[in-house]
This record gives sequence, C-alpha cells and structure tokens, in this order.
Amino acid sequence: EVKLVESGGSWYKPGGSLRLSCAASGFTFDEYAMHWVRQAAGKGLEWLCSISWDGGRVYCADSVKGRFTISRDNSGHSLHLQMNSLTTEDTAFYYCAKDTLADDSSGSLGLLDSWGRGTLVTVSS
Amino acid sequence: SYVLTQPPSVSVAPGQTAILTCGGNNIGMQSVHWYQQKPGQAPILVVYNDNDRPSGIPERFSGSNSGNTATLTISRVEAGDEADYHCQVWDRSSDQSYVIFGGGTKLTVL
Repeated sequence: EVKLVESGGSWYKPGGSLRLSCAASGFTFDEYAMHWVRQAAGKGLEWLCSISWDGGRVYCADSVKGRFTISRDNSGHSLHLQMNSLTTEDTAFYYCAKDTLADDSSGSLGLLDSWGRGTLVTVSS
Repeated sequence: SYVLTQPPSVSVAPGQTAILTCGGNNIGMQSVHWYQQKPGQAPILVVYNDNDRPSGIPERFSGSNSGNTATLTISRVEAGDEADYHCQVWDRSSDQSYVIFGGGTKLTVL
C-alpha cells in the first residue's frame, strides 16, 4: 500500500524559512516523479513543484519559483520542499503526491495517483 | 498560462445524475484527470486520462473530453458523493511544464 506522510508543518513568522518532508513507503520511490500541492482554507488546489525520479528535471509554478525548492532523497525515500521568504499567503495545507510516471520522457506527468494527508503551515506574526 | 474553469457549485438530488464541467482552450487535446476531495481529507483520483477509473472507484463515475469542455458524470448520486471535485491537466510548453488545476466544484447532494 502506498503511504505518503508529510511533516514539517507548524507556525512560522513572515520572512522565515522552513523545510517540509514527505516520507514515502509501499512503492519503489525512485521509479516515480513526485509533486507538492497546497490548499489554502476554503480555496482550490494549487500545484507548487514537481520532480522527476532522479531529480534531474524540476518544475515549479511561477508563483513560487525562486522561493521554493523541491528535492528528493531516493536512498531515504523522502521528498522535500524548501520554502523561503515566507508570507501570510503561504498559509495552507501542503500535500505531497506520487505520479504514475518517472519523468516526462515517455508521456505526460501530472497524474497524481496517491496523496499524503497533508501538513499545515501557518505563517503569521 | 493555461486556465481551467469549473463552476463553483452543483447541486443534485440523490439518485439523479451530476454533470460537472471543466472548461479550457482545446482541452479535448489534453488528458484530463479528476480528483474528489471530501472535507478534511486529501484528494483522491476518481477519473484519469479523460475516462478511465482507478481500481476501487465505482462505475457510476465516468468522464468525457471534447472540444473546450471536459465532463465528469456521476450517475445515481449518493450522499457519500458530496465533495469538492477538481479537474487537472499537465500543460507542457516549450521549456516548462505545469500541473494545472481548475478552481474546483462543490457537489451538494440535496
């Protein structure tokens, strides 16, 4: 059974930084691309970043490019999101999700077949 | 950037058919995925590649995609189908790719 468990969510001050993690189990982690998606209270889903199986291809939304960095540790079966220069607009639930493909060389990424339960990030002074 | 448009809300009586739409420019050329999200829960995939269902998803859930509109159809709606539904595509441009979500539709079962 695929299991994704996010951690690192808490209360943070504006201007601060944090690193979210996602522990993966139940599948061969280094065979799949991974994604981070967030959702502010009462809002829709907002895609943040995607990373290929080997970390060689990274895609991020324009809204967070330069501020958020996605990375992965295949030996540790974990996905990470480094978030810098936090603002109150970053307050949201943050989900990690698994893709069905390793990268976009053989098809279109973006089919998120498994999701974690999310971790809440609150940015407030 | 590519935009997906969903109506904010749809209401349907139990046993009836719910039709949820997702509009986008030539969306029929894209593969569309649909996620169901119940309050306080993470999204789950209910339809992928326009009209395929993951294992465990009832046949009552089906999809179609043509022209500028993709559609998620839920037949014989049950109270347990009440949730937010999000459509999504993978938008590939010349040097960048994006996961695009629609704004979501709240399905209310009357």
